[in-house]
Amino acid sequence: TQLLEQSPQFLSIQEGENLTVYCNSSSVFSSLQWYRQEPGEGPVLLVTVVTGGEVKKLKRLTFQFGDARKDSSLHITAAQPGDTGLYLCAGLSSNTGKLIFGQGTTLQVKP
Amino acid sequence: DAGITQSPRHKVTETGTPVTLRCHQTENHRYMYWYRQDPGHGLRLIHYSYGVKDTDKGEVSDGYSVSRSKTEDFLLTLESATSSQTSVYFCASHSQHIQPQHFGDGTRLSIL
Repeated sequence: TQLLEQSPQFLSIQEGENLTVYCNSSSVFSSLQWYRQEPGEGPVLLVTVVTGGEVKKLKRLTFQFGDARKDSSLHITAAQPGDTGLYLCAGLSSNTGKLIFGQGTTLQVKP
Repeated sequence: DAGITQSPRHKVTETGTPVTLRCHQTENHRYMYWYRQDPGHGLRLIHYSYGVKDTDKGEVSDGYSVSRSKTEDFLLTLESATSSQTSVYFCASHSQHIQPQHFGDGTRLSIL
C-alpha cells in the first residue's frame, strides 16, 4: 500500500513568516498534486508537478517535486491570513492510477 | 470549475438505517469518486466509477455500495449505517485519465 506522509499536521504562525510543508513517501508517484481546502468546501487544486526536480511558483507559493518523485514540498513566503486553510498533497499512484492523499496540514496565519 | 453538487449537505441519522448520498455533475465527466475525510487521515477513497455502470472498490469500501446509472449521477449507499461511518463525504470527478479532480462541497454525515 502506498502511503504519503504529510508534515506538519498543524502549523500556527504570524503574518509575514515563512513556512514549508512536506509530503514524503517510499513510493514513486507519476505526479503530485497540491490542494487547498476551506471549511465547509471541497479541496481546490493549486498545482500539479509531474517531472522529478520540477519547481512551480504560484505567487508566494513554491512547489517542488523531488528528483526521485517520492516527495514534495510547499513553501509559502511571507504568509498572510488569507493563506489560512487545510493543505493537502496527493500523489498519483503509478500502480493503480488513483490519488493517494496525505493527512493534510492545517495552517493558521495570525494577523 | 466543474459543476458538482452533493446532496444532502448535512444529515443526521441513527445506527442501522440506510443512507444514500447523491453526487451530480454537469460536466459530462467520465470518472467519478467518493471519498471520506476524517481528522488525521486526509481523504480516503471509498469507491470510484470509470463510466456508466462501471464501478470499483477503493481502499475503504466495506459497508458502502455505489451505483452509476447515468453519467451525471453517482450514488453512495450505506446499507446499514454504523457510528464509524460518521464522516464528511466528498465526491469528485474528472474527464480524462490522469487529470486533476474537481470536488463537491461535501456531505457531513452523523450517525448516532
